Amino acid sequence: EIVLTQSPATLSLSPGERATLSCGASQSVSSNYLAWYQQKPGLAPRLLIYDASNRATGIPDRFSGSGSGTDFTLTISRLEPEDFAVYYCHQYGSSPFTFGPGTKVDIK
Amino acid sequence: QVQLVESGGGVVQPGRSLRLSCAASGLTFSSYAMHWVRQAPGKGLEWVAVISYDGTYKFNADSVKGRFTISRDNSRNTLYLQMNSLRAEDTAVYHCARGLCSSTTCPADSWGQGTLVTVSS
Repeated sequence: EIVLTQSPATLSLSPGERATLSCGASQSVSSNYLAWYQQKPGLAPRLLIYDASNRATGIPDRFSGSGSGTDFTLTISRLEPEDFAVYYCHQYGSSPFTFGPGTKVDIK
Repeated sequence: QVQLVESGGGVVQPGRSLRLSCAASGLTFSSYAMHWVRQAPGKGLEWVAVISYDGTYKFNADSVKGRFTISRDNSRNTLYLQMNSLRAEDTAVYHCARGLCSSTTCPADSWGQGTLVTVSS
């Protein structure tokens, strides 16, 4: 099983700032099948990025994904008020698929 | 507009069984892989199972292997999760989600709101 770790656990930033979230894998993610999700309290997760760097439909271009192999990054170029949430990385290249523990982005 | 509505959750005793259903509309159900993902109260996301568009390929998390079975009925636009030998640690909100493509190696992109399963004596 591929174990995903995310850092930091919590990121405290102000609107307008840049957010950089990291996701590390215990072994190489097959075909860079790595996704990022945003989740707000009481709501279902929302797909932001898939295949490491492709934005999902309707996702603003301030969200970008990068990385390959075992190290991946989600960048939010300028935080908007609606971006404060929990973010999860997820690998779907090797069964069993797995999620990271999440990074909470909160308002400083 | 894709709509996924889960049902079948509730309170069940340890060791008992439950079957969850997910009714899909607003999509060509038979063209997409489908996932189950769960979230224990106050915890993170845990992937449970995936099934390919035609039901040929199925994969489970290690934590549910041998106990949970994913299946689908494309004629009824419905996804199922048969859960046997339930444990307290299976307590969670269970979401069904559509895969981005037909194969299992696609992430979930549209999610239902979930159904709560509570395993307790």
